[in-house]
Amino acid sequence: NAGVTQTPKFRILKIGQSMTLQCTQDMNHNYMYWYRQDPGMGLKLIYYSVGAGITDKGEVPNGYNVSRSTTEDFPLRLELAAPSQTSVYFCASRGGSNYGYTFGSGTRLTVV
Amino acid sequence: ILNVEQSPQSLHVQEGDSTNFTCSFPSSNFYALHWYRWETAKSPEALFVMTLNGDEKKKGRISATLNTKEGYSYLYIKGSQPEDSATYLCALTDDYKLSFGAGTTVTVRA
Repeated sequence: NAGVTQTPKFRILKIGQSMTLQCTQDMNHNYMYWYRQDPGMGLKLIYYSVGAGITDKGEVPNGYNVSRSTTEDFPLRLELAAPSQTSVYFCASRGGSNYGYTFGSGTRLTVV
Repeated sequence: ILNVEQSPQSLHVQEGDSTNFTCSFPSSNFYALHWYRWETAKSPEALFVMTLNGDEKKKGRISATLNTKEGYSYLYIKGSQPEDSATYLCALTDDYKLSFGAGTTVTVRA
């Protein structure tokens, strides 16, 4: 059972480039999330999804887009990378209300 | 976004000592509170999900209590060991999404 799988683990982007962070879960969870971790700031919610075809903005959505065409996949798209998007990105999923989140191993992104 | 505060930001504990730290949150419209353990270079790992006032949960030497009326939760580590060194995150949920506190980083000195 792989859980939540994120790719890539590391990436360096130039300003203005685009990329997609991939997230896949094999637990048949309806709820999926993207967070970014900034030093001293904890985890900030970028986007979330409560099921296939449904997405919603979190606390810091600007500069990002998501889609949820299947239950398993929840990719995060950066269209025009900016230095402010340098961060560690975590994807997570959960099953029912009384369960904790399962996190992926993270993607460390640097924009130069 | 739900406001969650954790204190202290960091603490150092001697091996074998016990410690505790606090998570504070708005007491109105409470749904559930989560605790996570986050080791360096790893991803957060769920410890507890707490929903009822007076809840007390335990996992090995780590336990947590919840007071929804006054808006706080305590996490306790009994007899700290070096492997307990981690950042402990508290998070509040409205059943759709989690809002995290900034965490308490615990360093256990041998």
